[in-house]
Amino acid sequence: AQSVTQLGSHVSVSEGALVLLRCNYSSSVPPYLFWYVQYPNQGLQLLLKYTSAATLVKGINGFEAEFKKSETSFHLTKPSAHMSDAAEYFCAVSGLNTGGFKTIFGAGTRLFVKA
Amino acid sequence: DTGVSQDPRHKITKRGQNVTFRCDPISEHNRLYWYRQTLGQGPEFLTYFQNEAQLEKSRLLSDRFSAERPKGSFSTLEIQRTEQGDSAMYLCASSVSGLAGANVLTFGAGSRLTVL
Repeated sequence: AQSVTQLGSHVSVSEGALVLLRCNYSSSVPPYLFWYVQYPNQGLQLLLKYTSAATLVKGINGFEAEFKKSETSFHLTKPSAHMSDAAEYFCAVSGLNTGGFKTIFGAGTRLFVKA
Repeated sequence: DTGVSQDPRHKITKRGQNVTFRCDPISEHNRLYWYRQTLGQGPEFLTYFQNEAQLEKSRLLSDRFSAERPKGSFSTLEIQRTEQGDSAMYLCASSVSGLAGANVLTFGAGSRLTVL
């Protein structure tokens, strides 16, 4: 079965600093990988997705993630944090190996941005 | 397109009562998903529909939970004889059929259930 593990339930960075949120996946077949973001009192929205094309994926708001098969990782980065990036971020995996078309989510990482 | 709508946004009920949540997906989306999210956790898959057919149910979904999507449009999630452990945010999402497994989910704002 496929699964995702997000390392660190909370990450705190200063405004302008690099953001790095870690995600490792487990899959016996090439997965489809996603990052979703949840702002306070809002629904989850897609940040970016990997679907076996380019391994470096660019998303909204300056975020990007790199698929590394050898490390089974899909870490999310942003060069310079902004206060508005404070939110909860979820890594997710889907594909035929999840059993049909469901998407499995990690436990989430809450990002705090300090002024 | 108004996105995915969920109703009610908040529900407080007493243990043992039945509750029903409604989800209206994006009209062009033929797949509809229900997830449950508790504090500090990611969304947990409950069930999903393709059109009106319920194709998969999680083991998390006990006999007290039932979901329907009668005409392939809106869906309802009913919880019978609620328990305090059912307190959570119930999320609905929809997607279109596309590249196998590469569903991009559009989520509603959720329905928060509190069982007293």
